[in-house]
This record gives sequence, C-alpha cells and structure tokens, in this order.
Amino acid sequence: AAGVIQSPRHLIKEKRETATLKCYPIPRHDTVYWYQQGPGQDPQFLISFYEKMQSDKGSIPDRFSAQQFSDYHSELNMSSLELGDSALYFCASSQLRRREKLFFGSGTQLSVL
Amino acid sequence: QQPVQSPQAVILREGEDAVINCSSSKALYSVHWYRQKHGEAPVFLMILLKGGEQKGHEKISASFNEKKQQSSLYLTASQLSYSGTYFCGTDTGNQFYFGTGTSLTVIP
Repeated sequence: AAGVIQSPRHLIKEKRETATLKCYPIPRHDTVYWYQQGPGQDPQFLISFYEKMQSDKGSIPDRFSAQQFSDYHSELNMSSLELGDSALYFCASSQLRRREKLFFGSGTQLSVL
Repeated sequence: QQPVQSPQAVILREGEDAVINCSSSKALYSVHWYRQKHGEAPVFLMILLKGGEQKGHEKISASFNEKKQQSSLYLTASQLSYSGTYFCGTDTGNQFYFGTGTSLTVIP
C-alpha cells in the first residue's frame, strides 16, 4: 500500500541558506500536517492543510512557509536557516473528517551548520 | 492547546504495568496514541472516538473520558519492545496536536 513519502531523507544546509522539504500524502487523504521535532523533544505542530487550503497554523516561524499543490503534495519552504532549525521534520496525512489515524512519512532530517 | 501527559518519564522492569495519562483543555472528537522510537516516525497504536470507549491492542489498552477530556493508556506485562516515547494526539475538530510525551523505558 502507498505510504506518505517525504523527500529528501537528509538535508545539510548552512546558516542563512534556504531549504525546501516535500511531502506526498496518501492518495485521497484530505489533510496534511507538518511537524518539527528537535533532539529529545516532542513533535511540534507547524501547519496543516485541509483540501489544499491552510487549515491551522502552529508554532511556524515567519521564515517558514508552506503550501499544498493541486496534486495534493505539500512543500515546506524554510529561509534564512538558523542553527536551531536543525530537526527532524515529519509530514503526516489523514482523512481527518473521517476521524482516521495519521500516517507519517519517514521524515526529513535537516542539519544546519 | 497542546495536551499534557503524565508522567513525563517512567522506568519499568519487564512484566510490570504502567499507565500514561493525557489531558486536554479542549473538547475532543477523538484521541490517538502513538509510540515513537528514537529517530523514527511515530507509530500508530490506537484511536478512541468520543463515547467513552475503551480499546485494546495486545497488552496495550486505552480509555477515553470525553467529559473530562482525558485519556489513559494502559500497558500490562511490559516487554522490552515497549520502550519508546508515547504521545497522545487530540483531535478537536480540524486541529490535531501531539501531547507533551512520556518516555518509557523497560529494563530486563
């Protein structure tokens, strides 16, 4: 069965650079979530999309933006990267309106040097 | 909005039982439970819909009290493989938040 696909798996950037993370949800899932998880931390909600529209915003810095495209894939754009942005970034998708579980991608490990 | 879990950490010997609690300040449609190993994505354990239901999954079960906006995860006869960080997730309608996490370590 198809799962949530994230790319890249690992990404190394330097301070002040930009990064783009991609997420391909499971077909027919209506909701996409982005989470940031620092070392030893719990996942922090960044932003979510329902049917390609932004549905909720969490602790996402102004330097970050995200969107969901017509084919339902989502991209998280991060600019002016800081050392503190180093984290594991998860994307998840679900059919939230049917109260189903979240399916997670394997995550993108971002390291900012 | 983030649900609060207790305890923050617990250490068990194999075969012992544990309870992890999750409390939300918002009305909930459902509560999810996930377990995460270091560096890996959270793995789904179970989902409880409002209605006060209790669910079981092998030796792991959970309850959901929608009036109190609380859920509890019960682990019985713990195994080494149960080690990890447990997160509840709360669905308030169109928002989903992970709890603060409970680190569980099972030792021989």
